[in-house]
Amino acid sequence: GAVVSQHPSRVICKSGTSVKIECRSLDFQATTMFWYRQFPKKSLMLMATSNEGSKATYEQGVEKDKFLINHASLTLSTLTVTSAHPEDSSFYICSADSSREGRGDEQFFGPGTRLTVL
Amino acid sequence: KNEVEQSPQNLTAQEGEFITINCSYSVGISALHWLQQHPGGGIVSLFMLSSGKKKHGRLIATINIQEKHSSLHITASHPRDSAVYICAVPGGGADGLTFGKGTHLIIQP
Repeated sequence: GAVVSQHPSRVICKSGTSVKIECRSLDFQATTMFWYRQFPKKSLMLMATSNEGSKATYEQGVEKDKFLINHASLTLSTLTVTSAHPEDSSFYICSADSSREGRGDEQFFGPGTRLTVL
Repeated sequence: KNEVEQSPQNLTAQEGEFITINCSYSVGISALHWLQQHPGGGIVSLFMLSSGKKKHGRLIATINIQEKHSSLHITASHPRDSAVYICAVPGGGADGLTFGKGTHLIIQP
């Protein structure tokens, strides 16, 4: 089956630093990857849609200058949290769409990255 | 935007019981996802279905496209089934997913 990995699984950083999270589709190519965020006891929320070779599409309320997304290849998307603050502490999950059309119908999820900003 | 409602929000049952979790959505979709999230946060995709019924082990998922409703069933439930079960549908913007709030399931031995 389709496998998506995320790295790191857990990161603790100081306020003001930047953190990069990688999302890889291991056995399929994904033209579209999605980044989600989940605060404690809350639903997953879509942050942005990452398209290979083009700029990411951000959801309303998500700062594109703070959450930098790079989808450099068909198997890798990265999310960089710049100048992280304690309120950015959350669980970040990516998913990769295995459908050729990138419709979002066939999404496979990474295991998530727990970010704690001190 | 698609609205997703799940019920129940919390469910505690005894080992061996038959479990049903329901999901309804507001806008027609091409596929619906059932996900399982364990206490550590990791998400496992259980099912992706667009019509009818799918079965995997003790898990069964059904969907009624006309009624915009899906159910997830667990037969012969076991404590290791304890997790949060989440229903998700396209419609979260640019084909991202919109998630239900999840059903927190506890199976007691």
